[in-house]
Amino acid sequence: DQQVKQNSPSLSVQEGRISILNCDYTNSMFDYFLWYKKYPAEGPTFLISISSIKDKNEDGRFTVFLNKSAKHLSLHIVPSQPGDSAVYFCAASETGGGNKLTFGTGTQLKVEL
Amino acid sequence: NAGVMQNPRHLVRRRGQEARLRCSPVKGHSHVYWYRQLPEEGLKFMVYLQKENIIDESGMPKERFSAEFPKEGPSILRIQQVVRGDSAAYFCASSPLATNEKLFFGSGTQLSVL
Repeated sequence: DQQVKQNSPSLSVQEGRISILNCDYTNSMFDYFLWYKKYPAEGPTFLISISSIKDKNEDGRFTVFLNKSAKHLSLHIVPSQPGDSAVYFCAASETGGGNKLTFGTGTQLKVEL
Repeated sequence: NAGVMQNPRHLVRRRGQEARLRCSPVKGHSHVYWYRQLPEEGLKFMVYLQKENIIDESGMPKERFSAEFPKEGPSILRIQQVVRGDSAAYFCASSPLATNEKLFFGSGTQLSVL
């Protein structure tokens, strides 16, 4: 039962262009969403988060959009840089769940020169 | 380095042996989480501990797995009588608070069972 889904296992984008990574969830109790970036042989590092009371959160080149009615969120990276090449995980939690996160399976982003 | 420290980075065990994975959280963090990542999958929650207490172990297999976070020292994830299916990357994470805080992850322990 995959409650957080990232249907694109990989994405290739040219440097300078926009990267859009998508994530869908099924559990309506989720109210906090996060994106983590992971390089090989390292642990995930926090990128950006959004609460369900918002529909957009921006931090520099990274913007997360949340569409609660569609149970969908997306991460936009603009402009994309070669150093952004990594696996991106979408994660979700629910109030009262502490920091127990449910992760998607990840999307491998490759930013090409 | 004030981050989450996990050791060992790589651990090789034969079937039936015990595996002990250690995690030192960020200094000052009293909440520790263990996650497991199987090949081609996302991270799966295993257990959440706060100093000396197990808060949520809903993701832990019922047998052979145990976790502790003593008052002094690192958190330990212990797997007894390992089987090949236990081969995975085990990540520890910590946070200063219990609610809606980003987790700080360690680099993980890659367990290989021969």
